[in-house]
Amino acid sequence: DARVTQTPRHKVTEMGQEVTMRCQPILGHNTVFWYRQTMMQGLELLAYFRNRAPLDDSGMPKDRFSAEMPDATLATLKIQPSEPRDSAVYFCASGTGGVYEQYFGPGTRLTVT
Amino acid sequence: AQSVTQLGSHVSVSEGALVLLRCNYSSSVPPYLFWYVQYPNQGLQLLLKYTTGATLVKGINGFEAEFKKSETSFHLTKPSAHMSDAAEYFCAVSPIYNNDMRFGAGTRLTVKP
Repeated sequence: DARVTQTPRHKVTEMGQEVTMRCQPILGHNTVFWYRQTMMQGLELLAYFRNRAPLDDSGMPKDRFSAEMPDATLATLKIQPSEPRDSAVYFCASGTGGVYEQYFGPGTRLTVT
Repeated sequence: AQSVTQLGSHVSVSEGALVLLRCNYSSSVPPYLFWYVQYPNQGLQLLLKYTTGATLVKGINGFEAEFKKSETSFHLTKPSAHMSDAAEYFCAVSPIYNNDMRFGAGTRLTVKP
């Protein structure tokens, strides 16, 4: 049963610290998305990649967030420095071309104190 | 650009009653439409999708949705609610030519015994 995996599942850190979240997309999927979910803003698209190239990162605060795909099996989302307002659940999703349905990972719950 | 409006942030039904979750979309180009379900502390899971062809789409867990172009709607229904249907439901729209998927704010479904 192919699934998107995300690590860590939970992260508590202090303001100013660097946070790295990792995602392993489903094997063979060539598109990877990063979302942030909060009660106030709902589900927001931060960035997405196709064939490891960034296609859109307009939803991401550029000064502190960065997203990369070092290889086809790993996507990373970094926050440096982290702030309390970054507290949220971060989801990774992957998909293929075609009809664009996305398969979501279980999320990383980030708490910045 | 496309957007999604889900009418009603909370819907409560009795077990065995009809479930109707409303979704209206705005899109300048023909869209693909999706419904996702999110159970507590989990990622989003695809319920069903509309791409082309038959406008009544059947999904998992007995849900279905009908694409009505004239009404720009894609409402989700289930004839008889089950306690296990309690979750948050998201409608999403994506243009047919890229992965720029936009999600609605979500509707939390409560099922009363």
